Amino acid sequence: SAVISQKPSRDICQRGTSLTIQCQVDSQVTMMFWYRQQPGQSLTLIATANQGSEATYESGFVIDKFPISRPNLTFSTLTVSNMSPEDSSIYLCSVYPGNEQFFGPGTRLTVL
Amino acid sequence: SQQGEEDPQALSIQEGENATMNCSYKTSINNLQWYRQNSGRGLVHLILIRSNEREKHSGRLRVTLDTSKKSSSLLITASRAADTASYFCGANQAGTALIFGKGTTLSVSS
Repeated sequence: SAVISQKPSRDICQRGTSLTIQCQVDSQVTMMFWYRQQPGQSLTLIATANQGSEATYESGFVIDKFPISRPNLTFSTLTVSNMSPEDSSIYLCSVYPGNEQFFGPGTRLTVL
Repeated sequence: SQQGEEDPQALSIQEGENATMNCSYKTSINNLQWYRQNSGRGLVHLILIRSNEREKHSGRLRVTLDTSKKSSSLLITASRAADTASYFCGANQAGTALIFGKGTTLSVSS
């Protein structure tokens, strides 16, 4: 299993600013993912972040808007850049150490 | 694009009734996982079913998988008010992230 923590748990930001979300896992994992959940919607995969390589982004998501770091096997950050109200969502970190995919508690972001 | 598509999108039942949700996916998969999300809360993993399995049980939950139809179903028996939540299925291929459907919102009234 894996226990995931995220910081911050929530934030309210002004448009045009950036927010960096941290994800910490209690064990070493190769595969780490970032998801977005817009209000009332399902989860959408933003990118896959494997340690030692560039993140791979899904269609509709770009590195300039969502830069990701993965400095080691237990930690990753996602930055939401130049925010607009449309970025208001829950952002979730997830890992896949074996069969089950585990999710962090999420970061609830509101952009005014 | 979404891998799993749940139906119905919303389901309202009385306590004690059974709730059935369906999920379809588009490509071959390694496994399929069901999650529950209470309003404003995190995801809770319910059950994983592998592509070579046809049925799994966990307490009041029963999941089936039909790879020929690319579909899965989640049955919750004897529903309780506490089962009120959104339910999501996610499917993946080996070594890749789960791709989720739109989810089913279940409301159980007492």
